[in-house]
Amino acid sequence: DAGITQSPRHKVTETGTPVTLRCHQTENHRYMYWYRQDPGHGLRLIHYSYGVKDTDKGEVSDGYSVSRSKTEDFLLTLESATSSQTSVYFCASRQDPSATQYFGPGTRLLVL
Amino acid sequence: AQSVTQLDSQVPVFEEAPVELRCNYSSSVSVYLFWYVQYPNQGLQLLLKYLSGSTLVESINGFEAEFNKSQTSFHLRKPSVHISDTAEYFCAVSGGSNYKLTFGKGTLLTVNP
Repeated sequence: DAGITQSPRHKVTETGTPVTLRCHQTENHRYMYWYRQDPGHGLRLIHYSYGVKDTDKGEVSDGYSVSRSKTEDFLLTLESATSSQTSVYFCASRQDPSATQYFGPGTRLLVL
Repeated sequence: AQSVTQLDSQVPVFEEAPVELRCNYSSSVSVYLFWYVQYPNQGLQLLLKYLSGSTLVESINGFEAEFNKSQTSFHLRKPSVHISDTAEYFCAVSGGSNYKLTFGKGTLLTVNP
């Protein structure tokens, strides 16, 4: 498996606070992604990156921002957390459109 | 634009029975197709993929999927399931130079003794 790690793995926070989730990959993959997974919705793309400093919005990007200053790191920030952002967040990476997309282990976020 | 429809949200079966998980897709370009599996409290991992060539692809644990271009389908099958196959299965598509992978909403396969 590709080396993708996420930190933290679990987080409890309060409404209105900023939260940053980190994704780190050791495969030198060009593309990186952040998804959220919620019951009944499957995986929904939040933001993605197609290179260092190159990012774009996915289908559920409101309230989230991302940054990618190095190939291996992709940060997801909840600018002001809300209860609707309680979810499991997955990071993924791949080298090209035909390649396998590898997933991290996920981060469980609870916003109280 | 591309999209994926998984026709069954839940599929309960008995151990050693055959199973088929259905997936249909839409895309305006040639596609790459994937099945991912998610075991409880884990991330997603690749089960099998179709890129080109033979339309029947197999995984190491007995699953197979057939790419049917005319029906725009990529159904996943296994002739005899085990308790350990209990998991959620996701079908996904990416097309051409599109580097975004579009997922279906998943099918929860529950294998009962």
